[in-house]
Amino acid sequence: ETGVTQTPRHLVMGMTNKKSLKCEQHLGHNAMYWYKQSAKKPLELMFVYSLEERVENNSVPSRFSPECPNSSHLFLHLHTLQPEDSALYLCASSIGTSGGLQYFGPGTRLTVL
Amino acid sequence: LAKTTQPISMDSYEGQEVNITCSHNNIATNDYITWYQQFPSQGPRFIIQGYKTKVTNEVASLFIPADRKSSTLSLPRVSLSDTAVYYCLVGVLNYGGSQGNLIFGKGTKLSVKP
Repeated sequence: ETGVTQTPRHLVMGMTNKKSLKCEQHLGHNAMYWYKQSAKKPLELMFVYSLEERVENNSVPSRFSPECPNSSHLFLHLHTLQPEDSALYLCASSIGTSGGLQYFGPGTRLTVL
Repeated sequence: LAKTTQPISMDSYEGQEVNITCSHNNIATNDYITWYQQFPSQGPRFIIQGYKTKVTNEVASLFIPADRKSSTLSLPRVSLSDTAVYYCLVGVLNYGGSQGNLIFGKGTKLSVKP
């Protein structure tokens, strides 16, 4: 049903690895978001892109690097992560950037060893 | 920034009406109130959104008092499949060119029993 897909669904990586998470939306939306969801914590907004331009950065560590090549694709590049970065990473999209009705993907379950 | 507070968990039985309240004392004038539902290992799914008074759609109603410092999600006649975590989201981004924020609550785990 969801028009937002994320790959991979599961990822295990060492602290020295470099990996990327991919998100794709097929809804014609022009805003995309990355969220982090840790166990027993609320969703944390990491990045927002509107028409491929970053509009919000909530002081996320530089080991997380977003990329938005076009309005349908969003990447989260990971390098030198820490075990505490293990979480569910969710991508979402919306028509505008007001943060209104967002459509979420299924998430990528990341485990950092 | 508007901080939200929700009950950690709630129990209900099939066929009952469930009301989940979210407190957001510092809500700003431009903030909207949005509720999402999340099942295990899935992304949240939009349920309903409102600014003031009452909003109703095919799955839920949202009641917002005049001071907007709280909101209540009402689920009529819940079923076992409504067992999930429900999140209250308050905020708005980039209203009028200034950066706002979106704050998710910790969520309310609703358990519906037969």
